[in-house]
Amino acid sequence: GAGVSQSPSNKVTEKGKDVELRCDPISGHTALYWYRQSLGQGLEFLIYFQGNSAPDKSGLPSDRFSAERTGGSVSTLTIQRTQQEDSAVYLCASSGRASGANVLTFGAGSRLTVL
Amino acid sequence: DQQVKQNSPSLSVQEGRISILNCDYTNSMFDYFLWYKKYPAEGPTFLISISSIKDKNEDGRFTVFLNKSAKHLSLHIVPSQPGDSAVYFCAASTGNQFYFGTGTSLTVIP
Repeated sequence: GAGVSQSPSNKVTEKGKDVELRCDPISGHTALYWYRQSLGQGLEFLIYFQGNSAPDKSGLPSDRFSAERTGGSVSTLTIQRTQQEDSAVYLCASSGRASGANVLTFGAGSRLTVL
Repeated sequence: DQQVKQNSPSLSVQEGRISILNCDYTNSMFDYFLWYKKYPAEGPTFLISISSIKDKNEDGRFTVFLNKSAKHLSLHIVPSQPGDSAVYFCAASTGNQFYFGTGTSLTVIP
């Protein structure tokens, strides 16, 4: 596609429920990243996929968080047993190159609210 | 540990004047520095980048300056326009790892 597509754009859930967030990266971009932005905070790295390599999961805050990337394209971020502190905007990005720099192109984000 | 810091959470500037957004970093191994702009309810969009081997990169109204000895970079916007009002994130990269600052909210007053 022309840009990075994320769904849903907004999700309200009850504490303890599981949620799935989807990301469709730019066609041809081999790298895919998940970040989150909590209220008043910066962008927090969660996980990174590069081609067929094992993902870098070093940013996942707990074992309730997991992500997969099927067929080297679409990715799903799953949060199990959601907690109120999981409320944030979850941003997906894929990367390509611009003027030599490796540049991230972000989706519009999925806003998660845990009641 | 925050490797990229933006110490000013907000900045207000009159239309037509210069906006200067600042960023500090700690890791001398970063090879690129980038600025992103974010409007409410949208994802960050790439603005401009600079290689660690350069000290200045210019693109229209936007110029990024890099001072490696001070581990400091800045984004200059001149002249500032009301449409520039947004949150600006500084980022640094090494290979495929990106580190973001906490952002500076710029308000350009008409």
